[in-house]
This record gives sequence, structure tokens and C-alpha cells, in this order.
Amino acid sequence: QSALTQPASVSGSPGQSITISCTGTSRDVGAYNYVSWYQQHLGKAPKLMIYDVTKRPSGVSDRFSGSKSGNTASLTISGLQAEDEADYYCSSYTSSSTPWVFGGGTKLAVL
Amino acid sequence: QVQLVQSGAEVKKPGASVKVSCKASGYTFTNYDINWVRQATGQGLEWMGWMNPYSGNTGYVEKFQGRVTMTRDTSISTAYMELSRLTSDDTAVYYCARIRSGTYWFDPWGQGTLVTVS
Repeated sequence: QSALTQPASVSGSPGQSITISCTGTSRDVGAYNYVSWYQQHLGKAPKLMIYDVTKRPSGVSDRFSGSKSGNTASLTISGLQAEDEADYYCSSYTSSSTPWVFGGGTKLAVL
Repeated sequence: QVQLVQSGAEVKKPGASVKVSCKASGYTFTNYDINWVRQATGQGLEWMGWMNPYSGNTGYVEKFQGRVTMTRDTSISTAYMELSRLTSDDTAVYYCARIRSGTYWFDPWGQGTLVTVS
């Protein structure tokens, strides 16, 4: 069982917006602004999409945005495109004995 | 460009050990920690531990303590992760990922190494 809780799947049509949630606790997501999001296409390595809750690395489309409220972080993808179809994982720094925790992943389907 | 290139797939028998390499290029190897994350087929990501290439200091998840060893060879900018006493539960893709001390995200990741225990 993953430390952070994500929905198993979400879907949307091209051009729509979707949001993926990532729920943790007051020891991880709620305690630090150190949530990051990773995109993983089938058979590929994860790719950083969002870091420090809201920041986008150079080269990542501005259609991707992050936010946080309390113990829940969210990744929003606007203007969905077929190439966005992938698995998405959240991660957070934590004050527990294991400094990094991941979510179980969310499969995004672009219908 | 910054790149982490891992060694190829491995097939091991139960009880054996495996050593995966992760060669860094495009940056100063000793300036960033190397972390190891694994992913069983169809499952999520599991953080295993970290290594500081400058000092050689390491930190491991408790469940892997005594079975995992993370090392490096700075002369060839390569990090290694060795896992011993393998069982079928260790069958997974193993990733190395870079992180800078004081920052809180992994970027980039290696391409992954499939380790099959059978």
C-alpha cells in the first residue's frame, strides 16, 4: 500500500481539463511544499513534470499545473492531448524514517 | 545533456545477488545524490535509498537494510546498487534518479533495469 493516495484512473476527452489528486498526511504533503509529479509513458522512465508543488521544469508544457490544499496535492492538465495519456505519480518529502514517499499512480486515459 | 544510463536486464536465481550500474554524464557526478527507486510490474514506485557520490554516505529504507548496498566509482561517474538474497518479490524495474542536496525532486531518471528473479 502506497503512502500517498491517488485515484487509480482518470479520463478525459481531447481539449478538456482533468485533475489528479494526491492525498497524504500532516507528516508529508501537509507539512512541506515539496510535492513533485512524474509522468511515465508505458515502458519508459518517469519524467519530472512539477516540483515544489507548483513549479514547472523548463520544457514542460504550461498545460500542466500543480496546487496543494492541506494534506492533498493536485495535478491539473488542461487542453488534454493524446500524448498526455500516461501514468502519473506524485511524490513528497516526509518527516518519517523514509524521507521520500510516492503515490500509487494514476492512469490517465485520453478518450 | 544530463543523462543517467543504466546497465542491461538481468535474470537471477532466488538467493543470488544482482548489481545494477548507473553511469552519469553531462554534469559533475559528485554534486548530486543518486537515489534508487524500483517498480514491480504493474505496480507503483518504491523508494529504496540514496547515496552521496562525494562522501559515499548512504541511507536505505529499513525493509532493505542488510540486503542492499549502494556504492560509486567517481573515476567513471558511475553509481551501483547491489541487492542480495533475491526472491521473486524483487522482480522489478530498478531506476536510478538524480537529486541535489537541498532540493526535493528527482530529475532525470535512468532508463531502468529489469531484474527478473526466477
